[in-house]
Amino acid sequence: QLHLRESGPGLVKPSETLSLTCTVSGDSSTNSNYYWGWIRQPPGQGLVWIGTIYYTGATYYNPSLESRVTLSVDTSKHQLSLKLNSVTAADTAMYSCARGRGGTYYDGAFDIWGQGTMVTVSS
Amino acid sequence: QSVLTQPPSVSEAPRQRVTISCSGSSSNIGTNLVNWYQKLPGQAPTLLIYYDDLLPSGVSDRFSGSKSGNSASLAISGLQSEDEADYYCAAWDDSLNGLVFGGGTKLTVL
Repeated sequence: QLHLRESGPGLVKPSETLSLTCTVSGDSSTNSNYYWGWIRQPPGQGLVWIGTIYYTGATYYNPSLESRVTLSVDTSKHQLSLKLNSVTAADTAMYSCARGRGGTYYDGAFDIWGQGTMVTVSS
Repeated sequence: QSVLTQPPSVSEAPRQRVTISCSGSSSNIGTNLVNWYQKLPGQAPTLLIYYDDLLPSGVSDRFSGSKSGNSASLAISGLQSEDEADYYCAAWDDSLNGLVFGGGTKLTVL
């Protein structure tokens, strides 16, 4: 069974870069067949899509975050990475990685999720 | 203000049926597939319905999805207390060129 686990600093200072890693474990033999996404949820608010990446490295970003976000994948380590620069308090949220069920990135069906990691932006 | 509009809350008694609506436009629901997620407090979201009306393996058939025009609905029958959660619809938006979520609906089982 596939497991996703997010990791990274829980506290980031304003204007700095938020960096998170998502480690994929379990049966990873077919990881390259799927797309992978990052989604965040600010406290008391709804879900927000950050972006989607394929193992090929192809990326698709939320237009509202595109200028500040970079997704990458390290296939040898089965890890996905998220970098969000110039953060502000508005970036405080629970950040989750998830596996796309199949099909194409615009289907947006994420069937396996990590538990998420809370990131607070504060000085 | 979410691109996909959901009622903030719904409530119904146990064993009854409830529907949650998700209203969009021709650039999202009207053109692309809709997915529904259940989010229990402190837990990761769960894919409840995918591709408008398909049930993932392991999800109870008390849940069902439908779509008509620019709107979609999630129905839950035989309500149970463990169904109390936040429910989100999601679809790709061709105009925004991104995946959009509804604002979420909090279900209370009375």
